[in-house]
Amino acid sequence: GESVGLHLPTLSVQEGDNSIINCAYSNSASDYFIWYKQESGKGPQFIIDIRSNMDKRQGQRVTVLLNKTVKHLSLQIAATQPGDSAVYFCAESLNQAGTALIFGKGTTLSVSS
Amino acid sequence: ETGVTQSPTHLIKTRGQQVTLRCSSQSGHNTVSWYQQALGQGPQFIFQYYREEENGRGNFPPRFSGLQFPNYSSELNVNALELDDSALYLCASSLGTGGDTQYFGPGTRLTVL
Repeated sequence: GESVGLHLPTLSVQEGDNSIINCAYSNSASDYFIWYKQESGKGPQFIIDIRSNMDKRQGQRVTVLLNKTVKHLSLQIAATQPGDSAVYFCAESLNQAGTALIFGKGTTLSVSS
Repeated sequence: ETGVTQSPTHLIKTRGQQVTLRCSSQSGHNTVSWYQQALGQGPQFIFQYYREEENGRGNFPPRFSGLQFPNYSSELNVNALELDDSALYLCASSLGTGGDTQYFGPGTRLTVL
C-alpha cells in the first residue's frame, strides 16, 4: 500500500492498493473530526467521523485514526478503487453551539487501474 | 445523496450586483451552515443558522448575510459583489449546532465578472 507521513497534496495509487491520507489539525481543543470526499463539481460527501474520546474508528473499507498527542488524523482506504478518486478533506470542530467545521488542506487521490 | 438541495446550480453576475442563493436542509435538520469554497481550496465557514437565528459567523464582511425560514430552509445573500466572490457556495445541514455531522448540498457555482 501507499502511505505518507506528512500531508501531501496528491496521492497516486494502483487499484487494489491500500491508501493512507494524512491530516494535521490545528486546534488541540477540537473534539470532533470528519473526513469528506469531494468529487469534481460536487459538494463534500461524508465518509467517516471520530470523536476525541476514540483513537480509531472503522467503516466500510475505511478506517480513521486519531492521534491527539501530535494532532494528527489519518484516513485509510482498503482495496482502493477507481471510484475512490477524488479530493479528500479532513475537518475539525468543537462540540459547541455555532461551531464551524475547519477544513484542512485537501489531498487529491488518483487511482489507476 | 444527502437530501440537501441548493439552487441555482450555476450563476453569473457582474461586479456590484447582488445575489441570493437558496438551500433546503435535510429532513429533520434544524441547522444550516454556509461555506465558501474557492477553486483548489477547502471550504471556509461563512455563518450558521439555527432556528432562524444566526448562530456563529466566520471572517466574512457584513455584505454576506443570511436568513433561515420556519421550515429550516435558508438563503445566503451577497451584496456589492466583488470578483473574489467567485466560488462554489456550499450549504450543509445538521441535526444540531455543534459537534454534529454536517451534510453538504451540491453547491452553487457563482461567477462574478
